[in-house]
Amino acid sequence: AQKVTQAQTEISVVEKEDVTLDCVYETRDTTYYLFWYKQPPSGELVFLIRRNSFDEQNEISGRYSWNFQKSTSSFNFTITASQVVDSAVYFCALSIKAAGNKLTFGGGTRVLVKP
Amino acid sequence: DAGVIQSPRHEVTEMGQEVTLRCKPISGHDYLFWYRQTMMRGLELLIYFNNNVPIDDSGMPEDRFSAKMPNASFSTLKIQPSEPRDSAVYFCASSGGSRDRGYEQYFGPGTRLTVT
Repeated sequence: AQKVTQAQTEISVVEKEDVTLDCVYETRDTTYYLFWYKQPPSGELVFLIRRNSFDEQNEISGRYSWNFQKSTSSFNFTITASQVVDSAVYFCALSIKAAGNKLTFGGGTRVLVKP
Repeated sequence: DAGVIQSPRHEVTEMGQEVTLRCKPISGHDYLFWYRQTMMRGLELLIYFNNNVPIDDSGMPEDRFSAKMPNASFSTLKIQPSEPRDSAVYFCASSGGSRDRGYEQYFGPGTRLTVT
């Protein structure tokens, strides 16, 4: 069975500070995919980034960056120079091809960016 | 592309009534998923379809819940009879990406269901 743990329930920062969200996952499969989704106060779930298990290269996309480390089963996500509009709940999720790519979500981390 | 469309956006009903939630996936996507979000249980998968065929319904809470996908552009989730504990936000998502894209799922806006 798959499991995703987001130990941080809530993070509060002041605008322009960097925010790093932690995610630890569990799976026995060797081919899997990791995602980050954002849920703003309006309630929709917005896809942000994806990483495949066979590609450990870390990347930066605008103000978002991620650190994928298979050795520690972690997939951390960083927002650089946070803005008030970044205030939302962020979910880490895992899927495996063998299970039809259904998503297993972590509990979410609420990020509050204060002006 | 219009994205995943769900209706209604809000539904308030009385206990014992039948509730039908509707979903139109993104055109061309061959996977469709129904998730439920509650404060107690977070986001959990209820059922998913591949090419209109139900593949895994192990997350469906009980026999009061049923889901259908009569064609590639439409799916329903029905609760009969509804109970207050069914109050939640129900999301529909679709996916059709390649292996390289990790079959990423795109979510509809959700239906907020309140059963009184």
